[in-house]
Amino acid sequence: NAGVTQTPKFQVLKTGQSMTLQCAQDMNHEYMSWYRQDPGMGLRLIHYSVGAGITDQGEVPNGYNVSRSTTEDFPLRLLSAAPSQTSVYFCASSYSRQGVYEQYFGPGTRLTVT
Amino acid sequence: QKEVEQDPGPLSVPEGAIVSLNCTYSNSAFQYFMWYRQYSRKGPELLMYTYSSGNKEDGRFTAQVDKSSKYISLFIRDSQPSDSATYLCAMKDYGQNFVFGPGTRLSVLP
Repeated sequence: NAGVTQTPKFQVLKTGQSMTLQCAQDMNHEYMSWYRQDPGMGLRLIHYSVGAGITDQGEVPNGYNVSRSTTEDFPLRLLSAAPSQTSVYFCASSYSRQGVYEQYFGPGTRLTVT
Repeated sequence: QKEVEQDPGPLSVPEGAIVSLNCTYSNSAFQYFMWYRQYSRKGPELLMYTYSSGNKEDGRFTAQVDKSSKYISLFIRDSQPSDSATYLCAMKDYGQNFVFGPGTRLSVLP
């Protein structure tokens, strides 16, 4: 049981390049989300999905796209990278059971845009 | 005003001290309150979970929620160097999304 996995761990992009951050979970969780973490800002929600085929925007969605074709995978696409997207990106999956919500995070992807 | 406020620290304490970490929030719809621990260059991990007001204890950790004051706390007793990390509070209403505080960096000195 690997939990939530993310690739790559590190990435450097030039302004204007595009890339996809991969996220996968093997816990059969319906809910998955992408956050970015910046100093002093905490974790901010980019996009989330409540199940395969269903996605929605979070607090800071501009410049990012997502899709969810399977329960396991939730990739995040940067369309045209900008220096403001330099951040640490975390993918998370969560479940609810008897009113308890538990969210599991991946190890993160450190992205630098030059 | 941010939806969730948290003193960023850093907070340095000697080993064995009692640590108090706090968050305030503005959204009265929040019902679920969580504390996450994040070690350097790692993802956050769930530490404590509380529904509505009250206290919850788990070993050396106690979480308190005061919804009337919109204030939550995490207490760490007999703090250890291994407790050195960033502590994030998080909250949610009856929807799916979590709102996080910016985190407090804690150092426990041996």
